[in-house]
Amino acid sequence: NAGVTQTPKFRVLKTGQSMTLLCAQDMNHEYMYWYRQDPGMGLRLIHYSVGEGTTAKGEVPDGYNVSRLKKQNFLLGLESAAPSQTSVYFCASSSDRQGPNEQFFGPGTRLTVL
Amino acid sequence: GENVEQHPSTLSVQEGDSAVIKCTYSDSASNYFPWYKQELGKRPQLIIDIRSNVGEKKDQRIAVTLNKTAKHFSLHITETQPEDSAVYFCAASMTGYNFNKFYFGSGTKLNVKP
Repeated sequence: NAGVTQTPKFRVLKTGQSMTLLCAQDMNHEYMYWYRQDPGMGLRLIHYSVGEGTTAKGEVPDGYNVSRLKKQNFLLGLESAAPSQTSVYFCASSSDRQGPNEQFFGPGTRLTVL
Repeated sequence: GENVEQHPSTLSVQEGDSAVIKCTYSDSASNYFPWYKQELGKRPQLIIDIRSNVGEKKDQRIAVTLNKTAKHFSLHITETQPEDSAVYFCAASMTGYNFNKFYFGSGTKLNVKP
């Protein structure tokens, strides 16, 4: 049981390049989330998904796109990377059981945009 | 939307002393309040949580208190140890609203001096 995994762990991009971050979970969770973490700003929600085939915008969605074609996977895409997108990206998942549910986080992806 | 504020941003204590981190939230509909610990370079991990129908919860050296009227909740760590050094995040969530969307505080860096 791997929990939540992310690939890659590190990536360096040049301005204007594109890339996709992959998140996978093996806990059969309905809800998945993408956050970015910047110094002194906590975790900010980029996009989230409440189930296979659905996505929704979070607090800071501009410059990112997501897809949830399979329940276990949630992809985050950067179409044209900018230096402002240098950050650590965390994926998380949680159950849809009735009541508040714990979020489980992946190990993170450190992205640098030059 | 919900706004979570966390104080202090940094906290330095002597080993064996207690540490208290405070958070306030704005939306009275929030009903789930988790606390996460994040060690350097690692993912956030849940250490304790509290639901709105409970005023206090303890787990060994860690406790969380919730004041719904004042809309604030606090993390208390007693008999601190060097391994408690990390960044701690509070969060607020609303069951049944926004599909378990979580709003995070900006984090508190706790340094426990041996």
